[in-house]
Amino acid sequence: GAGVSQTPSNKVTEKGKYVELRCDPISGHTALYWYRQSLGQGPEFLIYFQGTGAADDSGLPNDRFFAVRPEGSVSTLKIQRTERGDSAVYLCASSLVLHSGANVLTFGAGSRLTVL
Amino acid sequence: DAKTTQPNSMESNEEEPVHLPCNHSTISGTDYIHWYRQLPSQGPEYVIHGLTSNVNNRMASLAIAEDRKSSTLILHRATLRDAAVYYCILDPGAQKLVFGQGTRLTINP
Repeated sequence: GAGVSQTPSNKVTEKGKYVELRCDPISGHTALYWYRQSLGQGPEFLIYFQGTGAADDSGLPNDRFFAVRPEGSVSTLKIQRTERGDSAVYLCASSLVLHSGANVLTFGAGSRLTVL
Repeated sequence: DAKTTQPNSMESNEEEPVHLPCNHSTISGTDYIHWYRQLPSQGPEYVIHGLTSNVNNRMASLAIAEDRKSSTLILHRATLRDAAVYYCILDPGAQKLVFGQGTRLTINP
């Protein structure tokens, strides 16, 4: 597709449930990022992939959060035993590293997660 | 991670130029300076980036201080559609981008 696609756009779940959020990056972009954004805050880094492997997962808040990218394209962010504090917009981005070395990200519209 | 400092908010009038400042006194020699903006209910959008020289594109201009410790994003003629949160970010190259709080820009008609 032309842009980064995220599904679902909205997800409402109950505390304790399991949630999966999907990201379909721009074709040919090797790097893929997950961020989450709470109301009134800037995006908070969670994890990024270079190809199939997680190059930096230092932003994952705890072991309830996990992300995969098995074929180096689509990625899934998985949240186990959801808590009300997990409510946020989860943003995915993919990137093309320019010949200059600069890293330009293209973001999706986000998946809004509400945990009741 | 190198940090940037931006004003929390700024206000300008439609059809006037807007200068959004950013301080990054701890920038390293290889860090790119990036600007993204986020319109309401959308993901962030790339605006412009530079290393040492001033840069222009169809969206904006980026003026970088000679010592690289600060930069200014310039919107030459603001429209109501430019109302957004603007983020100044340092990019060490092929790594994560760390967003701060950004500057919320309000454009008055």
